[in-house]
Amino acid sequence: EPEVTQTPSHQVTQMGQEVILRCVPISNHLYFYWYRQILGQKVEFLVSFYNNEISEKSEIFDDQFSVERPDGSNFTLKIRSTKLEDSAMYFCASSELSDGYTFGSGTRLTVV
Amino acid sequence: QKEVEQNSGPLSVPEGAIASLNCTYSDRVSQSFFWYRQYSGKSPELIMSIYSNGDKEDGRFTAQLNKASQYVSLLIRDSQPSDSATYLCAGLMGNTPLVFGKGTRLSVIA
Repeated sequence: EPEVTQTPSHQVTQMGQEVILRCVPISNHLYFYWYRQILGQKVEFLVSFYNNEISEKSEIFDDQFSVERPDGSNFTLKIRSTKLEDSAMYFCASSELSDGYTFGSGTRLTVV
Repeated sequence: QKEVEQNSGPLSVPEGAIASLNCTYSDRVSQSFFWYRQYSGKSPELIMSIYSNGDKEDGRFTAQLNKASQYVSLLIRDSQPSDSATYLCAGLMGNTPLVFGKGTRLSVIA
């Protein structure tokens, strides 16, 4: 069963530091996404990526965030100058056109 | 604003019973709906998808979609303690990426 791989599984960072969360989507999927889930809350959309560019982003995805596909397999989320409220589970997902998304196992980000 | 609404529960059912989970959505221009299972601290796992009105069965799971009522449900037959998890309803509505409800916590009591 193909899967989406995320690293690291847990990241602790000091407030104000930059973090990069990494994802390897399923190889034949064309659409990539980042979602986050603050503890006890719903899964929230951050950004979608298609054809090497952002296709949609939410209000959460402000200038603090950026995404990149640096090579043919990796998809990264960078958070500049982290804040305490950025602490959450961050999920990468990928999909074919209109199918359900396959989620990675997530990165738990803790900002201290 | 496209939204998916779920009762957060918890919903408790005895082992072997049918669990019924429901969700409503806001956008009439709906396309596809999905049910995900999420164990505590884990990522959402896709268990069912439904694209057209009616029922879709897969093993112990049946998804139901009623576009006129903007209503989606998931039935779990012969519920097992291992089914205890949070069930997330999610929809592709218009051109927006997948929108999730808050999830319903299901507890199956042995």
